[in-house]
Amino acid sequence: DAGVTQSPTHLIKTRGQQVTLRCSPKSGHDTVSWYQQALGQGPQFIFQYYEEEERQRGNFPDRFSGHQFPNYSSELNVNALWLGDSALYLCASRRTGANYGYTFGSGTRLTVV
Amino acid sequence: DAKTTQPPSMDCAEGRAANLPCNHSTISGNEYVYWYRQIHSQGPQYIIHGLKNNETNEMASLIITEDRKSSTLILPHATLRDTAVYYCIVWYGGSQGNLIFGKGTKLSVKP
Repeated sequence: DAGVTQSPTHLIKTRGQQVTLRCSPKSGHDTVSWYQQALGQGPQFIFQYYEEEERQRGNFPDRFSGHQFPNYSSELNVNALWLGDSALYLCASRRTGANYGYTFGSGTRLTVV
Repeated sequence: DAKTTQPPSMDCAEGRAANLPCNHSTISGNEYVYWYRQIHSQGPQYIIHGLKNNETNEMASLIITEDRKSSTLILPHATLRDTAVYYCIVWYGGSQGNLIFGKGTKLSVKP
């Protein structure tokens, strides 16, 4: 049973560019959350998607947007990249209503130069 | 903001028990205590969770105080592969909220 799959694993972008990161949730999971993890810090919650809608959002600017598709997969888009957007981006999924928590992917390492 | 307080770092000898403390004095009655760990540059991995009673699984044991204001994660026989950052998180579970991470405890298991 595949867990959470993220692509690409590594990415280098230039300031001002736009980037799209992709996530396939674990089989049977319908809720997807995205996190940003800067070096040496804990993961910071960006937003959560359920039933193709953004349900909750952390303290991130509108440059960060997302989408969830009917098959529950999700994308994270970041516009007008800053150097400070360099981080590990983590996708996590779970089955709504279940208490056993989230399953995380291995992340996408984004470097902005 | 995270609702938990953890020591920034701890050391443990290989083969000994690792006891990682966590304070969550403002926990609500229906919030669970979750523990995750993150090995360098990987995604966080679920370890265990509990509400009131002590819990044990193949990875660890979770001891929650009677007033639920603190808890301890126990790795009974730590190995070098247990070196990681351990996060204690309080969360409603189910359909509410999300995991809010603090800075965690960096556990170093030494030979």
